[in-house]
Amino acid sequence: DIQMTQSPASLSASLEEIVTITCQASQNIGNWLAWYQQKPGKSPQLLIYGTTSLADGVPSRFSGSRSGTQYSLKISRLQVEDIGIYYCQQASSTPFTFGSGTKLEIK
Amino acid sequence: QVQLMESGPGLVQPSETLSLTCTVSGFSLTSYNVHWVRQPPGKGLEWMGVMWSGGSTDYNSALKSRLSISRDTSKNQVFLKMNSLQSEDTTTYYCAREKFHYFDYWGQGVMVTVSS
Repeated sequence: DIQMTQSPASLSASLEEIVTITCQASQNIGNWLAWYQQKPGKSPQLLIYGTTSLADGVPSRFSGSRSGTQYSLKISRLQVEDIGIYYCQQASSTPFTFGSGTKLEIK
Repeated sequence: QVQLMESGPGLVQPSETLSLTCTVSGFSLTSYNVHWVRQPPGKGLEWMGVMWSGGSTDYNSALKSRLSISRDTSKNQVFLKMNSLQSEDTTTYYCAREKFHYFDYWGQGVMVTVSS
């Protein structure tokens, strides 16, 4: 199975700050990488797919990038509504494994 | 619009079988794959398995011996059955629609507690 190592486990940042979350894939997954946001008591929501493509309705302050097998989610100007837990997911092959999550809070 | 809704018992006895239903609307089960994902309280997401649009299935190897996924296309329903439940199976179960390998719509989830 492909392992996704996500960091940090938690993150506290100030409003308007730039935030970056990373995921390291255990093997080549190309651009088959998605990011999800989960708010308390809610289902995960797709934010980014194909490493860099924004899902419908996702603000442009979210962006994704890749360097080799390391993938990053960047929030350019943190807003209150961005708090939640973020997960990466590899979509290269089943089982479609997820990262362990990053809990994002406002400082 | 696209909707998925999980249903099933909130409480299951240890060693018994869990049966869940995912009822979908706004899309066809013969055109989209539907996956099951679970999430223990306060923990991360675990992919369980998939009902491919063509009717075949694929399972997480860690659960394969206990898990079965089936469907009824006429009722727009996908079913999950998992036997020999233990306390570690206490979790929220989600069904999700897959679009090009990504989960673009999720159900609201159903919390299942395994306890006597």
